[in-house]
Amino acid sequence: AQTVTQSQPEMSVQEAETVTLSCTYDTSESDYYLFWYKQPPSRQMILVIRQEAYKQQNATENRFSVNFQKAAKSFSLKISDSQLGDAAMYFCAYRTNTGNQFYFGTGTSLTVIP
Amino acid sequence: ETGVTQTPRHLVMGMTNKKSLKCEQHLGHNAMYWYKQSAKKPLELMFVYSLEERVENNSVPSRFSPECPNSSHLFLHLHTLQPEDSALYLCASRLGDFYTFGSGTRLTVV
Repeated sequence: AQTVTQSQPEMSVQEAETVTLSCTYDTSESDYYLFWYKQPPSRQMILVIRQEAYKQQNATENRFSVNFQKAAKSFSLKISDSQLGDAAMYFCAYRTNTGNQFYFGTGTSLTVIP
Repeated sequence: ETGVTQTPRHLVMGMTNKKSLKCEQHLGHNAMYWYKQSAKKPLELMFVYSLEERVENNSVPSRFSPECPNSSHLFLHLHTLQPEDSALYLCASRLGDFYTFGSGTRLTVV
């Protein structure tokens, strides 16, 4: 069974600094997708970044980048130059290549300190 | 707004009530989902409706009943709920690899 683990329930970062959120997953599949979603107080889940497992290159979206270690089944999110608007719950998620279903972690609550 | 609209935004209901949650999308997506989000737990997939399949999580109690009359609308009918059913219920839709979530209905069962 696929599981996604986020071991950091809460994290904080000073504005303009860099923070890394951790995520590990368990799967026997070789082809899959990994995601980071942001959920601000508005409750809407917003896609931050996505990684295809067959790609060795780490995905990057502006200030957001991932460190994807396939052998270690690790998928961390780095937020550079943190902004107040980055404060939210962040969820790591996994989806198989063929499946309809996401598997989510328990989330990390990120606080940005002015 | 993301294009996936959920109503109501908040709902308080007694254990003997019957209510329905509604999800609507006009993005042309062809799959829709219900997720339950409880504090300190992973999001739990409840139901999936798509052209290819309907998937139910067998652990979802029968007091939750989904209905998908067409590809744009998804309902979750609720009856005789328990206090532990209080949670945020999220709807999502999908086309290919693109998923869009709604803002959820915050349900409180008293």
